[in-house]
Amino acid sequence: GDSVTQMEGPVTLSEEAFLTINCTYTATGYPSLFWYVQYPGEGLQLLLKATKADDKGSNKGFEATYRKETTSFHLEKGSVQVSDSAVYFCALSDPSGSGSARQLTFGSGTQLTVLP
Amino acid sequence: NAGVTQTPKFQVLKTGQSMTLQCAQDMNHNSMYWYRQDPGMGLRLIYYSASEGTTDKGEVPNGYNVSRLNKREFSLRLESAAPSQTSVYFCASSWARAQTDTQYFGPGTRLTVL
Repeated sequence: GDSVTQMEGPVTLSEEAFLTINCTYTATGYPSLFWYVQYPGEGLQLLLKATKADDKGSNKGFEATYRKETTSFHLEKGSVQVSDSAVYFCALSDPSGSGSARQLTFGSGTQLTVLP
Repeated sequence: NAGVTQTPKFQVLKTGQSMTLQCAQDMNHNSMYWYRQDPGMGLRLIYYSASEGTTDKGEVPNGYNVSRLNKREFSLRLESAAPSQTSVYFCASSWARAQTDTQYFGPGTRLTVL
């Protein structure tokens, strides 16, 4: 079945440091890929997405590129802020997999803490 | 425009008690979902409703039932709560007309079963 593997956390960085959170996936079809963010005490919200190979999703200074050859969708940000402290989830939607065509498969999440 | 709302925010149950988690969305979305979030495991799909009048099992449906009351509302019921159901529960909705459609999440219900 489909699966998403994220780098284990927690990740602690100083403000203005470079961020990378690794994400790789296994899917039977041609999935769409997502990054969701969960701020403390809140639900998940979409950060960015990409729908085909070599697409780059971007939002709020975060970027991720859909790499089909390495089945990866790593999240990057050039200069993190304290307000970026949150849990980040990589997810995929695969219409060829079992279950609903609209079902999301999530990674385990990566806790990011940014210190001032 | 409230988005996705969930009630209650917190709940403590004793083993064997029952309860219903409520979810409503005001975005006229077709599909609705229930997930549970456990430490180190991400979110796992319990049940979903692709459209009004239909429901289907997700990855972890045992011990739960759902009702799609109308297009706006999708409830999750625990008939006989067990400690293993201690979790944070999220409801989500989406247009689901395309694989790329975004799911919108509610703020969650934190449930503890003693």
